[in-house]
Amino acid sequence: GENVEQHPSTLSVQEGDSAVIKCTYSDSASNYFPWYKQELGKRPQLIIDIRSNVGEKKDQRIAVTLNKTAKHFSLHITETQPEDSAVYFCAASSHTGNQFYFGTGTSLTVIP
Amino acid sequence: EPEVTQTPSHQVTQMGQEVILRCVPISNHLYFYWYRQILGQKVEFLVSFYNNEISEKSEIFDDQFSVERPDGSNFTLKIRSTKLEDSAMYFCASTSLQGSVTEAFFGQGTRLTVV
Repeated sequence: GENVEQHPSTLSVQEGDSAVIKCTYSDSASNYFPWYKQELGKRPQLIIDIRSNVGEKKDQRIAVTLNKTAKHFSLHITETQPEDSAVYFCAASSHTGNQFYFGTGTSLTVIP
Repeated sequence: EPEVTQTPSHQVTQMGQEVILRCVPISNHLYFYWYRQILGQKVEFLVSFYNNEISEKSEIFDDQFSVERPDGSNFTLKIRSTKLEDSAMYFCASTSLQGSVTEAFFGQGTRLTVV
């Protein structure tokens, strides 16, 4: 089955700096890669996703890149703000959608 | 905006007791999921459910667990004979399309505490 690895597990950045979180996956059949943000005690919420027919996607300060050959994808947050502080999970899923395989999470702290 | 809703938000149970966690997926969604998140750890897949049957399940989802869609709206997770290590946040999720993966919408979770 699919194995998703995520790094780093914790990340601290100064407000205004950029943050990058990286994930790798093992199953070449995976073709959908969402990123979820989970604030303390709350549900995971989708912040951005990318499909395997696209190499990069951007939404304001958030961008995701995908390298299918290397089987890795990354989340980029620019101009970080304190409200970006949360745990971020990457995930991978195949076209059947039977399950989403989650990474281990990255705890991001943005220092004001 | 439609939401996945879960009840109760917090459940405390004695070890060995049975619990039922309830979920109401988004109404036009077809795939339903249960995930578990032990405190401070990653979200772990338990089971997916489609067309009134289990589609896929993980190693965690053993005979202690069962799922059911008793009517057109509810989706339940039953845990028989709970153990201390079952203490976790349990998330229900649903997605809309088969064959074309879309966003999984998560419920707010049920925090299960086994004492």
